[in-house]
Amino acid sequence: SQQGEEDPQALSIQEGENATMNCSYKTSINNLQWYRQNSGRGLVHLILIRSNEREKHSGRLRVTLDTSKKSSSLLITASRAADTASYFCATENSGGSNYKLTFGKGTLLTVNP
Amino acid sequence: GAGVSQSPSNKVTEKGKDVELRCDPISGHTALYWYRQSLGQGLEFLIYFQGNSAPDKSGLPSDRFSAERTGGSVSTLTIQRTQQEDSAVYLCASSLGGVTVGQFFGPGTRLTVL
Repeated sequence: SQQGEEDPQALSIQEGENATMNCSYKTSINNLQWYRQNSGRGLVHLILIRSNEREKHSGRLRVTLDTSKKSSSLLITASRAADTASYFCATENSGGSNYKLTFGKGTLLTVNP
Repeated sequence: GAGVSQSPSNKVTEKGKDVELRCDPISGHTALYWYRQSLGQGLEFLIYFQGNSAPDKSGLPSDRFSAERTGGSVSTLTIQRTQQEDSAVYLCASSLGGVTVGQFFGPGTRLTVL
């Protein structure tokens, strides 16, 4: 079953606006990661947040993690047309092998110029 | 090379034929992963290699799927007697392994089974 579930499934915004994507998961995790995918090919790792962290920043990206609600959000500020891509959250679950990532189905973000 | 490379980038085959997909991980990365992504879906874990340890094959969907990693570097994913439902993008990733860091993905191989 899917561990990470992103919402919305699709998001369309204007350049300059902020984009927020959410991810919910079911089991305890070691960390949660966000990836970006262009045109259905290779994924690019964006940011990793550990289970004992609540917020992390990287450039225009801001990730929050609420382990009590088993949810995370990815905020992209001042979006650009080049941010158009699919965004996936992935969880590394605790209690088992700490290497396997479980991916959600992703949010397709479209940033209109 | 600087990143993970995969070949071929596209593969079209007929149902029942065998295919081999290749992955060259980043030099020095001890962990290597194979995933499968069907159209509009997330990634499905297939198999994981870590150093000289026995691989975790728990994600392989059937015994038609197998993978090996030679010399701790290059990996080959083999699909025997391909079926139409095997059509997907097959993604390889590598990481330093044993450390909680992100995975580095290759561009994928798009497999189409006619």
